[in-house]
Amino acid sequence: AQSVAQPEDQVNVAEGNPLTVKCTYSVSGNPYLFWYVQYPNRGLQFLLKYITGDNLVKGSYGFEAEFNKSQTSFHLKKPSALVSDSALYFCAVRPPGANNLFFGTGTRLTVIP
Amino acid sequence: GAGVSQSPSNKVTEKGKDVELRCDPISGHTALYWYRQSLGQGLEFLIYFQGNSAPDKSGLPSDRFSAERTGGSVSTLTIQRTQQEDSAVYLCASSLGGDMPYEQYFGPGTRLTVT
Repeated sequence: AQSVAQPEDQVNVAEGNPLTVKCTYSVSGNPYLFWYVQYPNRGLQFLLKYITGDNLVKGSYGFEAEFNKSQTSFHLKKPSALVSDSALYFCAVRPPGANNLFFGTGTRLTVIP
Repeated sequence: GAGVSQSPSNKVTEKGKDVELRCDPISGHTALYWYRQSLGQGLEFLIYFQGNSAPDKSGLPSDRFSAERTGGSVSTLTIQRTQQEDSAVYLCASSLGGDMPYEQYFGPGTRLTVT
């Protein structure tokens, strides 16, 4: 069975500090990996995705994520957090042969001024 | 250009009533998805449409749920005989195609409350 784990419900970080939002997955084969962000009262917005190739992918708003096949992880990172980054972040996987995404339960990021 | 739109934004209904939720995907997107987001949970896949192919209904939780997509564009999700556990935010997404890993673009959702 496919599953995505976001082990932290809440992450707090000071403005200007680096941030990491963790994601691990359990999927057969080589999945496609995604990060989405949800701001209050708004729909999910795509941040970045890993398909193949370089393990470090860069996305919108200065975010990046590192794919680690041996650890089956796809952690989201940003070198310097902004207060405006405060939102709910979802990791998602698309297993080989599947059409839909399987989402984690989300991590609420709060950047403290 | 216009994004994915959904209507209504909020729907309150009595237990046992039927509801219809509408999704207008981005023009040119052949793939359309419905998800459900319940409080404290991640997004749960419901159904997927790709062009004129038969939909993937594997995520529908019961036979009270159904969806259709007319003319390869607008989609309607119907919940019959609503139950309180159906209360959630229903999200629609569209993408350029089903086979390739294109990102999905999400609408703002319809918040359904069953009383």
